Amino acid sequence: KAGVTQTPRYLIKTRGQQVTLSCSPISGHRSVSWYQQTPGQGLQFLFEYFSETQRNKGNFPGRFSGRQFSNSRSEMNVSTLELGDSALYLCASSSRGGVEEKLFFGSGTQLSVL
Amino acid sequence: SQQGEEDPQALSIQEGENATMNCSYKTSINNLQWYRQNSGRGLVHLILIRSNEREKHSGRLRVTLDTSKKSSSLLITASRAADTASYFCAVSGNTPLVFGKGTRLSVIA
Repeated sequence: KAGVTQTPRYLIKTRGQQVTLSCSPISGHRSVSWYQQTPGQGLQFLFEYFSETQRNKGNFPGRFSGRQFSNSRSEMNVSTLELGDSALYLCASSSRGGVEEKLFFGSGTQLSVL
Repeated sequence: SQQGEEDPQALSIQEGENATMNCSYKTSINNLQWYRQNSGRGLVHLILIRSNEREKHSGRLRVTLDTSKKSSSLLITASRAADTASYFCAVSGNTPLVFGKGTRLSVIA
């Protein structure tokens, strides 16, 4: 079974631009979560999608958004990029997103904002 | 906040020694999970311990949970250079998994 796939692996953008990151979960997994990882803040939860619906949302500004498609693939979008958005963005999937489940992570997208 | 906090922030040991990392949290939990991350990569799940369990083993890993002290520990026995990574605890309550900032373990050959 293929793992969680995130594209692109690296991305360089300038302030004010927008960016879209993609995540393909493990086949059969319907829950996709997104995390932002920075050296100072650690892993911060962005949002979780289940069956195309946003089920949980972290404490991030509205510039961060996401969606999930009927095949469970997910995208996250960051508009009007700021320098502080430079981070490793991690996507994780699980079967149902239940509290007993473990998360399977992708390798992440390293975003650099110049 | 449910966020787990790992201690120490960094740990350096010789190959063959045991490594112990601790995690503290503030609220009641359903379970606590430990993950490992190699530099710049995604996290890999290591072990899950439920709130009604006190100890769990998986290979060279031993995890304990003390809900009265709201703390957990991860012990890696007979460490290897390949164990060099960051280790995160994640607590699960009524919200999505919340991760701590991790312990950076360096195992020197």
